[in-house]
Amino acid sequence: DTGVSQDPRHKITKRGQNVTFRCDPISEHNRLYWYRQTLGQGPEFLTYFQNEAQLEKSRLLSDRFSAERPKGSFSTLEIQRTEQGDSAMYLCASSLPAGGDTQYFGPGTRLTVL
Amino acid sequence: GESVGLHLPTLSVQEGDNSIINCAYSNSASDYFIWYKQESGKGPQFIIDIRSNMDKRQGQRVTVLLNKTVKHLSLQIAATQPGDSAVYFCAENIRSGYSTLTFGKGTMLLVSP
Repeated sequence: DTGVSQDPRHKITKRGQNVTFRCDPISEHNRLYWYRQTLGQGPEFLTYFQNEAQLEKSRLLSDRFSAERPKGSFSTLEIQRTEQGDSAMYLCASSLPAGGDTQYFGPGTRLTVL
Repeated sequence: GESVGLHLPTLSVQEGDNSIINCAYSNSASDYFIWYKQESGKGPQFIIDIRSNMDKRQGQRVTVLLNKTVKHLSLQIAATQPGDSAVYFCAENIRSGYSTLTFGKGTMLLVSP
């Protein structure tokens, strides 16, 4: 399978703990996006990389959230001091650079904060 | 898996019917639109896209119509099958310069055999 992959698929943690998620984009896709989705809602944009450069961050991305893409391939999203409101599906997508490029999504990581 | 469809508009159809799912987008500057299908517990799956210089595009069993005058997008699914049951989202590309997508609220499609 050469699609976008995410790990882990599910994460249960206690409030106050740190968690880290990983995303591996489609090979040769140099744009990578993180979204968050809560139950009954569409995905909401969090942040975006082109190669290793983080080019845009949403206001949803509080200072407890940090994303990296050190070598321009896989990316990690870390949430520090998790809160119950962080419980959501975290989705990663990738695309090729072009105007109006199609974003292909991974299966997501379901985070539950107790 | 848990449902992503709570409190969503729902369209119920019989197998073999044609389905039409509608979406109103928000930004007149948007110039690229995508329909995604999302099954419970999975990530959104690309269905079809359309650019603002077109008003219709057809794929396999699916057609997207774009009406820029009233900022309306629709997805037509021909001969709907039980496997089409899912939540459908429209997404628009707002030209901030970085290709981020803004998603609509979604519509749940239920197909009865």
